[in-house]
Amino acid sequence: QSALTQPASVSGSPGQSITISCTGTTSDVGGYNYVSWYQHHAGKAPKLMIYDVTNRPSGVSDRFSGSKSGNTASLTISGLQPEDEADYYCNSYRSSSTRWVFGGGTKVTVL
Amino acid sequence: QLQVQESGPGLVKPSETLSLSCTVSGGSINNNSYYWGWIRQPPGKGLEWIGSFYYSGNTYYNPSLKSRVTISVDMSKNQFSLKLTSVTAADTAMYYCAHHEPGGFDIWGQGTMVTVSS
Repeated sequence: QSALTQPASVSGSPGQSITISCTGTTSDVGGYNYVSWYQHHAGKAPKLMIYDVTNRPSGVSDRFSGSKSGNTASLTISGLQPEDEADYYCNSYRSSSTRWVFGGGTKVTVL
Repeated sequence: QLQVQESGPGLVKPSETLSLSCTVSGGSINNNSYYWGWIRQPPGKGLEWIGSFYYSGNTYYNPSLKSRVTISVDMSKNQFSLKLTSVTAADTAMYYCAHHEPGGFDIWGQGTMVTVSS
């Protein structure tokens, strides 16, 4: 059961926008609007940033936005800030016995 | 405010059974909708979904772990548990419990580190 595909790393300067992709198949990302994104700082619990592809939980900055096209979902961080430096993971519901699957993770570096 | 917290031994011997509990506070396992699950992260690696149960009773497991994993619920203690049998060093990881819906894992515990070593 393969993970969703994310780039290993993405970087940007403060104030810039970056986009992280998450590629799956028609059985997961492309088939359901159940994609979520997590910010993970070392030593802390992962934090839900986006759910159901595009929705932000209460308290999450509107600099974070989610979208999907076909089998690829994306997380965009606008106005990049130093505190955005973290690992980011996507997750999708999957129509198989593997009901939920994570991406391999993307390390975001703020230059 | 709904919260979850993992507990259990930090060291397990190879071939033995890893047992963790997740205590739910600020709400009831039985009254809250949707799912309760376990996720792990081996050192230096990414997140891996282990399994989840639906509040009404159905349980789902990662096929790669299914033969060794059991998730159970104790309504009286407002807890759910993870058992992973025949552990090896590859099962060394930070283990998280979480509340989630189909489209997102919204409430996470702080995690508990489990090391498999003799």
